[in-house]
Amino acid sequence: AQSVAQPEDQVNVAEGNPLTVKCTYSVSGNPYLFWYVQYPNRGLQFLLKYITGDNLVKGSYGFEAEFNKSQTSFHLKKPSALVSDSALYFCAVRPNQAGTALIFGKGTTLSVSS
Amino acid sequence: GAVVSQHPSWVICKSGTSVKIECRSLDFQATTMFWYRQFPKQSLMLMATSNEGSKATYEQGVEKDKFLINHASLTLSTLTVTSAHPEDSSFYICSSRGRAQNIQYFGAGTRLSVL
Repeated sequence: AQSVAQPEDQVNVAEGNPLTVKCTYSVSGNPYLFWYVQYPNRGLQFLLKYITGDNLVKGSYGFEAEFNKSQTSFHLKKPSALVSDSALYFCAVRPNQAGTALIFGKGTTLSVSS
Repeated sequence: GAVVSQHPSWVICKSGTSVKIECRSLDFQATTMFWYRQFPKQSLMLMATSNEGSKATYEQGVEKDKFLINHASLTLSTLTVTSAHPEDSSFYICSSRGRAQNIQYFGAGTRLSVL
């Protein structure tokens, strides 16, 4: 079965420190990879995507993600965390098939302390 | 990014009544729309996928007669929860994708509380 794993329920970092939110996937072929962020009682906001090309993808709000095909991972990173980055982060995969919906990980809560 | 408008954002209804949730893509043509359900502190569960002009495809375990989806135009999809019961209380999120688009854009979600 195709799946997305976010092994950490919560990640805690201090403001100004680098952060990493992990994601691995199990999908056949060459899927499209995404990160979304969700604030309380809101829908999901798109952060960044990987389709093809450079393995390091830069997105909104200073976030970036590194695609590693051999490890089937797509970890989200930011060099210097802000308190306002505190939110729920979802990794998602779209199998490279027309019409298919995103498959989501369970989400990781990021908490940035001041 | 593209804008997807979803409303109402919050609805409270009595058990047995029906509730309609609207999802509109404001600045692009949504050839495919998705409806998700999210339980507290959990991931999004895909309920159904609909393509404009076609009947929705429901995921296993989702009652199509209870969750009616209409995708009548390239900018509007509706989800109607019929004869709602307290166990239907949840956060419902719509998502849209245009033709040849790689990104799914999400509405702000609707919190349904059934009394």
